[in-house]
Amino acid sequence: QLQLQESGPGLVKSSETLSLTCTVSGGSISSSSYSWGWIRQTPGKGLEWIGSLSSGGSTYYNPSLTSRVTISVDTSKNQFSLNLSSVTAADMAVYYCARHGVRLPGTLNYFDSWGQGALVTVSS
Amino acid sequence: DIVMTQSPDSLAVSLGERATINCKSSQSVLYSSNNKNYLAWYQQKPGQPPKLLIYWASTRESGVPDRFSGSGSGTDFTLTISSLQAEDVAVYYCHQHYSSYTFGQGTKLEIK
Repeated sequence: QLQLQESGPGLVKSSETLSLTCTVSGGSISSSSYSWGWIRQTPGKGLEWIGSLSSGGSTYYNPSLTSRVTISVDTSKNQFSLNLSSVTAADMAVYYCARHGVRLPGTLNYFDSWGQGALVTVSS
Repeated sequence: DIVMTQSPDSLAVSLGERATINCKSSQSVLYSSNNKNYLAWYQQKPGQPPKLLIYWASTRESGVPDRFSGSGSGTDFTLTISSLQAEDVAVYYCHQHYSSYTFGQGTKLEIK
């Protein structure tokens, strides 16, 4: 059974970089069928897609965050990571990693498996 | 961005009764080359991540009870719970993956 688990600091200082890792178990992150993404959730803005990494290694980012986001993969550890730079209070959220369903024309597809989420607080 | 608007924001339904949640997209999410609506529904309970219920607007995910059904095409979609159970209390989200990836604001479902 596929499992995803987020890890990383729960507290980040304002203007610094938020770094989270998603460890995948029960499946290979190198599978050619699937892509992997990050989504965050706040009470105010709800669910917001941050970005995704396709099976071919391409990255796709939310245009509103693209200047600050980097998603990378470490296939040897079956992990993918999120870096979000220059954080502010607006970046406080629960961050989820998730798997896209099998890729379809024009889309990486819906999210079919999610991690439990990691709460990140930004301090001044 | 495609804006997803759900209605109502909250809903109270008696046990055993039907619950209906609507979702409207600001543009069509029907992908013409494969005739699939790139629209999914999720259920989120407190302290848990969203759980996929329905994809391609009307296909139930494996293991999801058949009281959950999805319908609609183009810009207007509906999630229906045919006979509400206590364990269905949750927030429900629609999600489009036609152009980038956006979510509705959520509909909170409670027991009347």
